Amino acid sequence: DAGVIQSPRHEVTEMGQEVTLRCKPISGHNSLFWYRQTMMRGLELLIYFNNNVPIDDSGMPEDRFSAKMPNASFSTLKIQPSEPRDSAVYFCASRVDISGANVLTFGAGSRLTVL
Amino acid sequence: QKEVEQNSGPLSVPEGAIASLNCTYSDRVSQSFFWYRQYSGKSPELIMSIYSNGDKEDGRFTAQLNKASQYVSLLIRDSQPSDSATYLCAVQGAGGTSYGKLTFGQGTILTVHP
Repeated sequence: DAGVIQSPRHEVTEMGQEVTLRCKPISGHNSLFWYRQTMMRGLELLIYFNNNVPIDDSGMPEDRFSAKMPNASFSTLKIQPSEPRDSAVYFCASRVDISGANVLTFGAGSRLTVL
Repeated sequence: QKEVEQNSGPLSVPEGAIASLNCTYSDRVSQSFFWYRQYSGKSPELIMSIYSNGDKEDGRFTAQLNKASQYVSLLIRDSQPSDSATYLCAVQGAGGTSYGKLTFGQGTILTVHP
């Protein structure tokens, strides 16, 4: 299994530009999570999906952030317009929700720098 | 109060010593608890999970859970320099809108020096 695949691994953009981060979960996993990690705030949950449906998006900072999961094998996190304070590492993670086997597996992360 | 709090660290221990990492959580109905390790520049990886009160041992690692005190800990015996990393405590929500939600603590940086 290739694990959770994220792209791009690194993104440098200018303030005001649109950023789209992509994630392919592990095949068969039915829950997908987007986290953001910074030194100051640690690992913050932005949104998570179960069976492609958003369950909790209370961590999404503001309307500039949006996430979609059109099918079981793909999700996007979009920031429009981007701001310097959005600079962080964004992790996607997935798991299969079976009792006693709900281990979360992380992707390698997308490091975003907004100038 | 933060949902998941860890001892702030950083923690420095000599090689061969026991490293003790602590975590408290606020949601009383939480049932699933995890410890993740994150090396610098890498993604978090699971090292232990615990669901019942008491101790759970896996090699040099022991997780301890006390639901009454809302406390989780991780002990690393015979610490090695390769254990130097950030350790993240994670708690899974069990009720209402928190069901299935995995919340992480801020992390504790552990350094094991030779």
